[in-house]
Amino acid sequence: DTGVSQDPRHKITKRGQNVTFRCDPISEHNRLYWYRQTLGQGPEFLTYFQNEAQLEKSRLLSDRFSAERPKGSFSTLEIQRTEQGDSAMYLCASSADNEQFFGPGTRLTVL
Amino acid sequence: QKEVEQNSGPLSVPEGAIASLNCTYSDRGSQSFFWYRQYSGKSPELIMSIYSNGDKEDGRFTAQLNKASQYVSLLIRDSQPSDSATYLCAVTSNRKLIWGLGTSLAVNP
Repeated sequence: DTGVSQDPRHKITKRGQNVTFRCDPISEHNRLYWYRQTLGQGPEFLTYFQNEAQLEKSRLLSDRFSAERPKGSFSTLEIQRTEQGDSAMYLCASSADNEQFFGPGTRLTVL
Repeated sequence: QKEVEQNSGPLSVPEGAIASLNCTYSDRGSQSFFWYRQYSGKSPELIMSIYSNGDKEDGRFTAQLNKASQYVSLLIRDSQPSDSATYLCAVTSNRKLIWGLGTSLAVNP
């Protein structure tokens, strides 16, 4: 399978815990995006990498969120001190040009 | 605030009919336009991209773009029950994708 992969697919955690998600993009794609989506909404932009450089981060994103793409390949998204409002689907997408292709997502539930 | 607007629906069409989905956007500088299909509980799947005015056809799907009117549409011919999903319109603005809330389509057998 040469598509975007994400791990885990589901995560249930207790409020206050830290969680980390992983995204493996399509191998020849140099751009990687993280989004968050809640029911009835479109994807909400979180952050964007070109190769290993984080070029943009949403101003809506609190300091509890951090993302890395250390070698320009896979990326991780960490949420510290999770809150119930963080419950959502976290989506990763990659692109070589304008078209973005999404992974299956990680569904986070914060109890 | 750059915006993309879609009718939320639900849009209901009988099997075999043409489904027409519409999207308007506010950023006149937008250059790239996309339609994604999203099944319940799944991630968005790219089905069409369009960059210039006019029509672009791919199988049963036709995307139409009118930059002067800031309008992009998606036509689905010979609609099938498997087309029942939410269709998201996305438009580039300052190197980011701006998303509509999606239109829910139900194709009735």
